[in-house]
Amino acid sequence: AQSVTQLGSHVSVSEGALVLLRCNYSSSVPPYLFWYVQYPNQGLQLLLKYTSAATLVKGINGFEAEFKKSETSFHLTKPSAHMSDAAEYFCAVSLTGTASKLTFGTGTRLQVTL
Amino acid sequence: KAGVTQTPRYLIKTRGQQVTLSCSPISGHRSVSWYQQTPGQGLQFLFEYFSETQRNKGNFPGRFSGRQFSNSRSEMNVSTLELGDSALYLCASREGYQETQYFGPGTRLLVL
Repeated sequence: AQSVTQLGSHVSVSEGALVLLRCNYSSSVPPYLFWYVQYPNQGLQLLLKYTSAATLVKGINGFEAEFKKSETSFHLTKPSAHMSDAAEYFCAVSLTGTASKLTFGTGTRLQVTL
Repeated sequence: KAGVTQTPRYLIKTRGQQVTLSCSPISGHRSVSWYQQTPGQGLQFLFEYFSETQRNKGNFPGRFSGRQFSNSRSEMNVSTLELGDSALYLCASREGYQETQYFGPGTRLLVL
């Protein structure tokens, strides 16, 4: 079975500061990993995904994440936060080559202050 | 291409009633999955349909059911509604065996 742990339910950063959202996974087989963002009253939008190609994955809106097998981590970063980045972020894992069940973390709400 | 659409967007029901939610996937996508999102339990997988067949099912009671039509549109039904069924129900589609799921805006269900 697979699982995801997101450290920090709330993260607050200043505009222009580095964004770091943490995600650790547990999986018995090589996983696929995803970051989704959810704005208020909306569905989930895919930011980026890791599917066993390059370990450093670049996504939309300037976000990127690095897959570190030794640390079982897939942390999300952005060099400079913007007010529009305020949202809830979800890390998710699925097993390779199987049905599409995604297992989500509990989410991290990102607040961006002036 | 148009994205995943879900109808209705908002719904209010009373305990004991039943409800049907609809999801239209992205054109060409044959897989549709359903998720429930609540403040307490987070995002939980309900079930997945592919070419009209249920391929995977989460840990939800039998009151939750679904189906998929030949045009890949899917419906989810919840019978004998309980207060705890109040949630945002999200539908996601993907093209065959690709790994990326694309989500719709969700249907917010309130059970009174």
